[in-house]
Amino acid sequence: GIQVEQSPPDLILQEGANSTLRCNFSDSVNNLQWFHQNPWGQLINLFYIPSGTKQNGRLSATTVATERYSLLYISSSQTTDSGVYFCAVETFYNNNDMRFGAGTRLTVKP
Amino acid sequence: KAGVTQTPRYLIKTRGQQVTLSCSPISGHRSVSWYQQTPGQGLQFLFEYFSETQRNKGNFPGRFSGRQFSNSRSEMNVSTLELGDSALYLCASIPGLLGIRGTDTQYFGPGTRLTVL
Repeated sequence: GIQVEQSPPDLILQEGANSTLRCNFSDSVNNLQWFHQNPWGQLINLFYIPSGTKQNGRLSATTVATERYSLLYISSSQTTDSGVYFCAVETFYNNNDMRFGAGTRLTVKP
Repeated sequence: KAGVTQTPRYLIKTRGQQVTLSCSPISGHRSVSWYQQTPGQGLQFLFEYFSETQRNKGNFPGRFSGRQFSNSRSEMNVSTLELGDSALYLCASIPGLLGIRGTDTQYFGPGTRLTVL
């Protein structure tokens, strides 16, 4: 099945710094999403981005489908950005099963 | 609007038992998806229901099943529990006429933490 790899696995930043999280996938996908899970376990759907670029406030994401990767940018990070960021992909085959990466754990220090 | 609610929040069972978890979506949402999160396997998609029909399914054994009622509330059932079924079970609901996962935002509940002893 499709493989999803996220890097880095852990990231520690000072408040105000910028960061880039990466998601590589091994096959063509029809859907790619980014999620944030806060330290209390609440999961939030950030972006649906199978291709192109989207922005939402301090967060933006870019997916280059032909090269099979996606990037999540966080600018001017805040302590509330801490948590784990997951990307997830779906393919047309295999009953549209959704595969998640292992996540990037982000810690933003004040 | 109230968010996605899941009951119970915590549950302890023993091996071999069965368990039923409940998810009430946001009012008006017709699509409900279920996910399992474990330290070892991470986040995995279980299944998705829309209008009382299973629309998508992940790669889980038949011990995991679900259903959706006419009011969009959903239940998932795990029979013959194994130690490896200990996990946080999350459900998410999606708005919209078609409630398409991926094109419409998913709203997640707080999860049910299941411990199997």
